[in-house]
Amino acid sequence: EPEVTQTPSHQVTQMGQEVILRCVPISNHLYFYWYRQILGQKVEFLVSFYNNEISEKSEIFDDQFSVERPDGSNFTLKIRSTKLEDSAMYFCASREKETGTYEQYFGPGTRLTVT
Amino acid sequence: AQSVSQHNHHVILSEAASLELGCNYSYGGTVNLFWYVQYPGQHLQLLLKYFSGDPLVKGIKGFEAEFIKSKFSFNLRKPSVQWSDTAEYFCAVQVYNTDKLIFGTGTRLQVFP
Repeated sequence: EPEVTQTPSHQVTQMGQEVILRCVPISNHLYFYWYRQILGQKVEFLVSFYNNEISEKSEIFDDQFSVERPDGSNFTLKIRSTKLEDSAMYFCASREKETGTYEQYFGPGTRLTVT
Repeated sequence: AQSVSQHNHHVILSEAASLELGCNYSYGGTVNLFWYVQYPGQHLQLLLKYFSGDPLVKGIKGFEAEFIKSKFSFNLRKPSVQWSDTAEYFCAVQVYNTDKLIFGTGTRLQVFP
């Protein structure tokens, strides 16, 4: 069964550094998402991406964050200058073009630790 | 702002016990509703979903959920749990015409043999 994959599984970085989290969505999917979960808190929506542009973003997704689909397979989340409070599990998700269902398929997550 | 509440944070059951996990949401309009499960060390997987029609929906592994619009609830049930159901369960809502899922805080279920 096709799966969403994410790399790395764990990233440790120093405050102020840039990080890029990578995701490979399911190959025929057209909508892509990033969510995050701070330890002990809810899974929170960050951004959705369709047709090479952001379709929706949350208030968390400020100018420090950006997303890109650099080629036909990868979908990346960049944090320009990490802060301690960016430490969280980051989940990528994807879904097919809407055909009456709306299932988002999630990757295993990248644990980001900012020191 | 829309929100989702899961009142049970940690549930401990013996095998064969019945399970009901609560989920309430705050939004008066049309919603799509989901339950996701995360087994230890694995990614979020869809258990079941409600879009329209019969408010009692059946999912994988014997789980079901009932949408009660008047109570803004979408509780998850299973008549007889197994040790393999040990996992974290997340309720999520998609508000109509938006493209994001709003998650509850999750319920950790532990089932003992």
